[in-house]
Amino acid sequence: QQQVKQSPQSLIVQKGGISIINCAYENTAFDYFPWYQQFPGKGPALLIAIRPDVSEKKEGRFTISFNKSAKQFSLHIMDSQPGDSATYFCAASKETSGSRLTFGEGTQLTVNP
Amino acid sequence: NAGVMQNPRHLVRRRGQEARLRCSPMKGHSHVYWYRQLPEEGLKFMVYLQKENIIDESGMPKERFSAEFPKEGPSILRIQQVVRGDSAAYFCASSPNSGSGEQYFGPGTRLTVT
Repeated sequence: QQQVKQSPQSLIVQKGGISIINCAYENTAFDYFPWYQQFPGKGPALLIAIRPDVSEKKEGRFTISFNKSAKQFSLHIMDSQPGDSATYFCAASKETSGSRLTFGEGTQLTVNP
Repeated sequence: NAGVMQNPRHLVRRRGQEARLRCSPMKGHSHVYWYRQLPEEGLKFMVYLQKENIIDESGMPKERFSAEFPKEGPSILRIQQVVRGDSAAYFCASSPNSGSGEQYFGPGTRLTVT
């Protein structure tokens, strides 16, 4: 009930391409879905987040697509750059219940120049 | 830059020793979360605290681990009698409001148990 499943585990994209990472959740009580970016040796950085009242949110080159009926959400990185090479984590929480984050397993993205 | 601060950044302990990890939340944030990241794994929730209160400790191991967030000073995650399996990165996050999912993470403390 509390799991968040993320795929793929690793992703290699050419510079300028689109990176797509997918997540699926089980708990329908989740109401906040953030994505975090983590570089080696650093803490996760909040990238973009969505709540279930909208189906898409865009910030610069980053877009979250949200499908409430399928219990899935995805991160799209447009015009991927070598500097985007990092590990990306999706997460989910119930904002009304203390907001502990349940994380996906992570996707290691490599953008080749 | 008043981000989340954690210290020490790296900590080496021998088996059986105690480890104390400190976290100062962002200015204006009164909610602190601790997460653990084992090598090549995602982050796992450990405990959620507000000033002087433990709100949710459902992710904490039952023994050897404790956490506090006193009225004054940083939040402390304490691990007694460390074992090799405790080697991990421990991250602290803070949020401004109760019920806000927005959490901002510190740089982490990398604990190595020898």
